[in-house]
Amino acid sequence: DGGITQSPKYLFRKEGQNVTLSCEQNLNHDAMYWYRQDPGQGLRLIYYSQIVNDFQKGDIAEGYSVSREKKESFPLTVTSAQKNPTAFYLCASSTMGTGGYYGYTFGSGTRLTVV
Amino acid sequence: AQSVTQLGSHVSVSEGALVLLRCNYSSSVPPYLFWYVQYPNQGLQLLLKYTTGATLVKGINGFEAEFKKSETSFHLTKPSAHMSDAAEYFCAVSDGSARQLTFGSGTQLTVLP
Repeated sequence: DGGITQSPKYLFRKEGQNVTLSCEQNLNHDAMYWYRQDPGQGLRLIYYSQIVNDFQKGDIAEGYSVSREKKESFPLTVTSAQKNPTAFYLCASSTMGTGGYYGYTFGSGTRLTVV
Repeated sequence: AQSVTQLGSHVSVSEGALVLLRCNYSSSVPPYLFWYVQYPNQGLQLLLKYTTGATLVKGINGFEAEFKKSETSFHLTKPSAHMSDAAEYFCAVSDGSARQLTFGSGTQLTVLP
């Protein structure tokens, strides 16, 4: 079955460490997105990519980096510059199909905790 | 630019009662509208969407929503709440061409026994 796989489901980071969250999709979607979710704050866009080798900053990109070397992969690195990284991270993808626009498909999320 | 307002960050209903979650949007072009549901520690799952055509849209788990252009609303309803409906619900809007969704802040639905 097609879908989006995020790994790991739980991740622990020590102070000063960089960590990378994986997001892989086999839906052949063009666009991919990273969101951060904190309790009571909804979804906040970190980065997005419409095509391979191109990406744009979202609303809260500081302290994060991404790459899009392959259509199916969009990893997110949480750097040591991100001072409050504890959150739930969601990856999503979308495409414009022949039937129109279908919205996003989401992964199951990665919960990152600073220890 | 689009925006979404979900009225009520927390809604409680009794089991068997009507569920009504409110969503108002702002868009300069005909919108595409979506409702997603999120269970604890999971990703968002599409409940239903409106793109064109019939304004009353039926989704999964007995939910439906009606697009009302004059009221710029897309409220989500379910005639009879079930305990398994307890979750967070997000309304989202897109102009379609941008391929990017703008999300509301979410409504946490509690179902009381």
